[in-house]
Amino acid sequence: DSGVTQTPKHLITATGQRVTLRCSPRSGDLSVYWYQQSLDQGLQFLIQYYNGEERAKGNILERFSAQQFPDLHSELNLSSLELGDSALYFCASSGPLAGGSDTQYFGPGTRLTVL
Amino acid sequence: GQNIDQPTEMTATEGAIVQINCTYQTSGFNGLFWYQQHAGEAPTFLSYNVLDGLEEKGRFSSFLSRSKGYSYLLLKELQMKDSASYLCAVRLYNTDKLIFGTGTRLQVFP
Repeated sequence: DSGVTQTPKHLITATGQRVTLRCSPRSGDLSVYWYQQSLDQGLQFLIQYYNGEERAKGNILERFSAQQFPDLHSELNLSSLELGDSALYFCASSGPLAGGSDTQYFGPGTRLTVL
Repeated sequence: GQNIDQPTEMTATEGAIVQINCTYQTSGFNGLFWYQQHAGEAPTFLSYNVLDGLEEKGRFSSFLSRSKGYSYLLLKELQMKDSASYLCAVRLYNTDKLIFGTGTRLQVFP
């Protein structure tokens, strides 16, 4: 158990809908990262937050957005869902120093299925 | 651009030794990570190299050559539970972002 929690574990929804994925980092970690893992692709970095502020952006679609709250939990919002958005979404956390050598520890993931 | 290459699949026998290679071409380098991932589960941290040389951790060792853009993960005394995907990831300079390779799926046979 990495100490990173994600909810829900599974999510099934229809095209065009909007969903919210939630992540709580390990105690003491300030950075939260979101990754997408599709069947035929590796882990793709989406976005990073550090202590409530966006720090780095990857290949995140405009339909997707994220935020980190004062208690450091983070939410990833996916809207206008398409079939191709079906994937495993992982959250990772590290800290407390941004830009340091800290390891990223991954949560159990949310499996999103868009029908 | 960023490019990380690993073999797609490897097989080995229980009790044997296997080496999984990773080559990378990235704009800047600030460390290389290896993660293990069982199907449908979270990646779990195995090792981290930032300087050239070998890091040993029990049955797992990882090597890095920055001048060659090359790393390997060495797994000794293979067990059936080592059947998993092994992900190589590079952290870019002056950032916390990890760029992952597509992973190497290792199957261990009895």
